[in-house]
Amino acid sequence: AQTVTQSQPEMSVQEAETVTLSCTYDTSENNYYLFWYKQPPSRQMILVIRQEAYKQQNATENRFSVNFQKAAKSFSLKISDSQLGDTAMYFCAFTMLYGGSQGNLIFGKGTKLSVKP
Amino acid sequence: KAGVTQTPRYLIKTRGQQVTLSCSPISGHRSVSWYQQTPGQGLQFLFEYFSETQRNKGNFPGRFSGRQFSNSRSEMNVSTLELGDSALYLCASSLGLAGYTDTQYFGPGTRLTVL
Repeated sequence: AQTVTQSQPEMSVQEAETVTLSCTYDTSENNYYLFWYKQPPSRQMILVIRQEAYKQQNATENRFSVNFQKAAKSFSLKISDSQLGDTAMYFCAFTMLYGGSQGNLIFGKGTKLSVKP
Repeated sequence: KAGVTQTPRYLIKTRGQQVTLSCSPISGHRSVSWYQQTPGQGLQFLFEYFSETQRNKGNFPGRFSGRQFSNSRSEMNVSTLELGDSALYLCASSLGLAGYTDTQYFGPGTRLTVL
């Protein structure tokens, strides 16, 4: 069975600094997708960034970037120039292909990130 | 484009009752997935509907059921509510097409409290 592990339940960072959230996953599949979602206190889950396993290049979205290490099954999220609005729960998620379509998301337990002024 | 909407946002029920939650996907999305979020178990997949058919199912008892209508709107039903069903229920929609790098977009959730 596929599993996703986030080993840091809570983290904090000073505004404008950089922070890295860790995620590891376990799968025997070769074709899959990885995601980072953000869930602010308002509860709306928002996609932060997506990585296709077949792509070697790490995904980036503005201040957010990932370090995808396929062999190590590691998928960390780096947030640069942290802002107060980045305060949220961050979930790492994994999905495979079933019959060519993406299946359900398997989530880690989340990392609660606090950005301090 | 409007996002995923869920109604109601909050519900309070008592044990033994049943409840129906509704989800309207993003226009053009044909796949709707449901997730249960609790502090203890985290986010767990309930089921996915695509073109009015259940395409995938998680490990939940038969008290949890769902359906999808021709306009892609989806409902989930929980019968004989138990205290442990108290949770945030999230709906997510996506295109659901094969051979396409897809992304699930989430609604704001329905907070269900069972007393």
